[in-house]
Amino acid sequence: KAGVTQTPRYLIKTRGQQVTLSCSPISGHRSVSWYQQTPGQGLQFLFEYFSETQRNKGNFPGRFSGRQFSNSRSEMNVSTLELGDSALYLCASSGGIGGPIGYTFGSGTRLTVV
Amino acid sequence: QKEVEQNSGPLSVPEGAIASLNCTYSDRGSQSFFWYRQYSGKSPELIMFIYSNGDKEDGRFTAQLNKASQYVSLLIRDSQPSDSATYLCAVTQAGTASKLTFGTGTRLQVTL
Repeated sequence: KAGVTQTPRYLIKTRGQQVTLSCSPISGHRSVSWYQQTPGQGLQFLFEYFSETQRNKGNFPGRFSGRQFSNSRSEMNVSTLELGDSALYLCASSGGIGGPIGYTFGSGTRLTVV
Repeated sequence: QKEVEQNSGPLSVPEGAIASLNCTYSDRGSQSFFWYRQYSGKSPELIMFIYSNGDKEDGRFTAQLNKASQYVSLLIRDSQPSDSATYLCAVTQAGTASKLTFGTGTRLQVTL
């Protein structure tokens, strides 16, 4: 069965712009989480959505937002991009009630802000 | 103090040896503990998880948890070159089972 699909794979944006990243979870999975990975900070939790509701949120500024659609696909938006937002953004999905046991990560979107 | 700490490495072990990867965490309320493997340029994949004090074995991998000392470790027996990767320790706290807090990872190199 298809895995977690993230689009686009690579993205280059200019400081001040905004960006939208997309994540299609494994079919039947209702929980989608987003993580930011940088060399200095490692993997950091952004937020988690379950059945279109944000269930958990990490410690990121309000410029980072997300949403989940009725088909469980999720989008993440970053507004007013800063150089420090350059990172690998990973999405993970889980079936059932969620929880890291069943999480499968996508291949990620590598965002470069110039 | 970081919530989850790991030695960044690289940890170099010869093929066939035991690799020992360690992780400490600061929150005594941490409930679940995970080890992920991440190859360069790839996304993390779950190797093992552990909830209770003691050892949990799965093939060549053994996870060890000591909640009193707030550390969790991963042993890899009969290390293979294909085990060369970054190993990420992650924990969850009570009430936030879907939020993983990761360490920055230990890079393991298995040499021939």
